[in-house]
Amino acid sequence: GAGVSQTPSNKVTEKGKYVELRCDPISGHTALYWYRQSLGQGPEFLIYFQGTGAADDSGLPNDRFFAVRPEGSVSTLKIQRTERGDSAVYLCASSEIGGTEAFFGQGTRLTVV
Amino acid sequence: TQLLEQSPQFLSIQEGENLTVYCNSSSVFSSLQWYRQEPGEGPVLLVTVVTGGEVKKLKRLTFQFGDARKDSSLHITAAQPGDTGLYLCAGGGMKTSYDKVIFGPGTSLSVIP
Repeated sequence: GAGVSQTPSNKVTEKGKYVELRCDPISGHTALYWYRQSLGQGPEFLIYFQGTGAADDSGLPNDRFFAVRPEGSVSTLKIQRTERGDSAVYLCASSEIGGTEAFFGQGTRLTVV
Repeated sequence: TQLLEQSPQFLSIQEGENLTVYCNSSSVFSSLQWYRQEPGEGPVLLVTVVTGGEVKKLKRLTFQFGDARKDSSLHITAAQPGDTGLYLCAGGGMKTSYDKVIFGPGTSLSVIP
């Protein structure tokens, strides 16, 4: 595609529910990143994929968070038993392998009520 | 742990004025990037600086990387309302690829017509 696409753009869920956030990277980009951004803060690294595998998941805050990229393209960030503190904008970015520029999607705004 | 600080946190100026925002760290970075983020959008890369003392110009924007590669500044000449947004600096690790770039908290700039 022309750019990184994230869906949904907004998601409101009740505390305790399960949510999935989708990222469709730029075609051909093998590297994919998930970040979380709270209001007034810079993006916070969550997980990085190189192809299908998670090369670095050290930013995932706890075991309620999980991400997959089964075919090396689309990725899904999954959050179980959501908490109000999970409310944030979840950003996805992709880059070419070894690239020095990552391209961001518009983000998914998650609100847990 | 590498951390980036940005100042000021908020800046509101009149159209036509000049301004400088700063990005500082106690750590050395192999490269540093500046992004602009508008509400409801992901960050968009403005520039990457890689050499200590490097100065890059992008129209009315001038970026400088400190000699010790621990700090950077962004100077905007004759600010325009279209410059309004969140300016983020991001430090790269020792690898040339983008993985796990660390973001600062950002400077929120408002240019009043």
